[in-house]
Amino acid sequence: EPEVTQTPSHQVTQMGQEVILRCVPISNHLYFYWYRQILGQKVEFLVSFYNNEISEKSEIFDDQFSVERPDGSNFTLKIRSTKLEDSAMYFCASSVDIGNQPQHFGDGTRLSIL
Amino acid sequence: QQQVKQSPQSLIVQKGGISIINCAYENTAFDYFPWYQQFPGKGPALLIAIRPDVSEKKEGRFTISFNKSAKQFSLHIMDSQPGDSATYFCAASIQGGSEKLVFGKGTKLTVNP
Repeated sequence: EPEVTQTPSHQVTQMGQEVILRCVPISNHLYFYWYRQILGQKVEFLVSFYNNEISEKSEIFDDQFSVERPDGSNFTLKIRSTKLEDSAMYFCASSVDIGNQPQHFGDGTRLSIL
Repeated sequence: QQQVKQSPQSLIVQKGGISIINCAYENTAFDYFPWYQQFPGKGPALLIAIRPDVSEKKEGRFTISFNKSAKQFSLHIMDSQPGDSATYFCAASIQGGSEKLVFGKGTKLTVNP
């Protein structure tokens, strides 16, 4: 079964450094999402992306965050200057279309900011 | 108003028993309600989903009950098995928007053998 692939599985970075989290969505999917989950808490929406532009972003997704689909397969989340509170699991998800189609999640990248 | 409230926070059930997890929402614009199952170290995996035009949906041992007037929905796991031990999240979204999922806080289910 096709799946969403995320790399790396674990990223350790010094505070203030830039990080790029990578995702390969399912190949025929058109809608892409980033969510994050702080340890022990609920999954929170960050941003949705369609047709090479952001559809919606949450208040968490401030100017330090950006997303990009640099080619036909990858979908990236960049955090420009990381803070301690950015430490979390970051999940990429994709869906084939809108109309409440199922969102399929990757296994996440655990981001640890030191 | 964007919140989804989930209870209980944790649940312990004996093998063969029924596990029941409840969620409530405020925003009547929500029109899609999925349940996700998450094992440690893995991403959430879609288990079952319901739309508000039906009151119940069953897939194998998993059933969603939906009460539109009460703005509540619940997941029932029949004949619970140790392999069902995981964290379960309810969620809600609005069709036609970005369709972002608003998640509940999760329920850690432990099924004892």
